[in-house]
Amino acid sequence: GEDVEQSLFLSVREGDSSVINCTYTDSSSTYLYWYKQEPGAGLQLLTYIFSNMDMKQDQRLTVLLNKKDKHLSLRIADTQTGDSAIYFCAERTYSSASKIIFGSGTRLSIRP
Amino acid sequence: DAGVIQSPRHEVTEMGQEVTLRCKPISGHDYLFWYRQTMMRGLELLIYFNNNVPIDDSGMPEDRFSAKMPNASFSTLKIQPSEPRDSAVYFCASSLREGNSPLHFGNGTRLTVT
Repeated sequence: GEDVEQSLFLSVREGDSSVINCTYTDSSSTYLYWYKQEPGAGLQLLTYIFSNMDMKQDQRLTVLLNKKDKHLSLRIADTQTGDSAIYFCAERTYSSASKIIFGSGTRLSIRP
Repeated sequence: DAGVIQSPRHEVTEMGQEVTLRCKPISGHDYLFWYRQTMMRGLELLIYFNNNVPIDDSGMPEDRFSAKMPNASFSTLKIQPSEPRDSAVYFCASSLREGNSPLHFGNGTRLTVT
C-alpha cells in the first residue's frame, strides 16, 4: 500500500542547516514533493523531484532521493526564522497517478 | 491568477446543522481535491474530481458528507448533519492534468462544530 512517513518535530539553531527526512513505501513513485505550511495557510509547493533523479538543488533547498531505500530528504541551508513551518513530504505513484499521498508533516522550529 | 479560493475562512456551527464549504479552483485546472486536516489524522484526501466528475470518494467519512462540482469553476463540500468530530481544517486544491503537476492549495476553511 501507499504510505509516507516523517518525524513530527525538528528543532535547529538559526543559521544552521535543517534536514527533514521522509520514507515512502510505494516503489512505483513517479514524483515526490515537498510542501510548506505556515500557520493559518494552505500548503505551498516548495520543490519536487522526479523518481529518476538523485538530487535537485534550488537556492537554499537541496532534495536528495535514495530510491533503493525509498528515502527522501530536504535540506535547508542557513535556516532562518521565516523557515519555521510544517513541511510535508508527498508522493505521486503509477498505481494512483491522480492522487498525491501526504506524510504527517514535520514541524520545524528555529531557536536563536 | 488569484489561486484557489475557499469560503468561508472560518465556520462555527452547532451540532446537527448543515455546513457548506465552497471552492473556486484555478482557472484551467482539470483536477479538484478536497482534503481534511486534523492533529490526530493529519491530511486526509476526502474526494477528487476530474473534469467535474467525481473519480474517487473513498475517503469521504460517511454518508453525512457529500461533494459536488456543477461546473469547472466551483465545488462544494456539504456536511449534513454536522457533528463535533467533523471539526477540522478543510482544504481544497486543484491541479492541471497529471505528470508533474503539483497541487495548488487554498487557504482552507476552519470548521468548528460545537
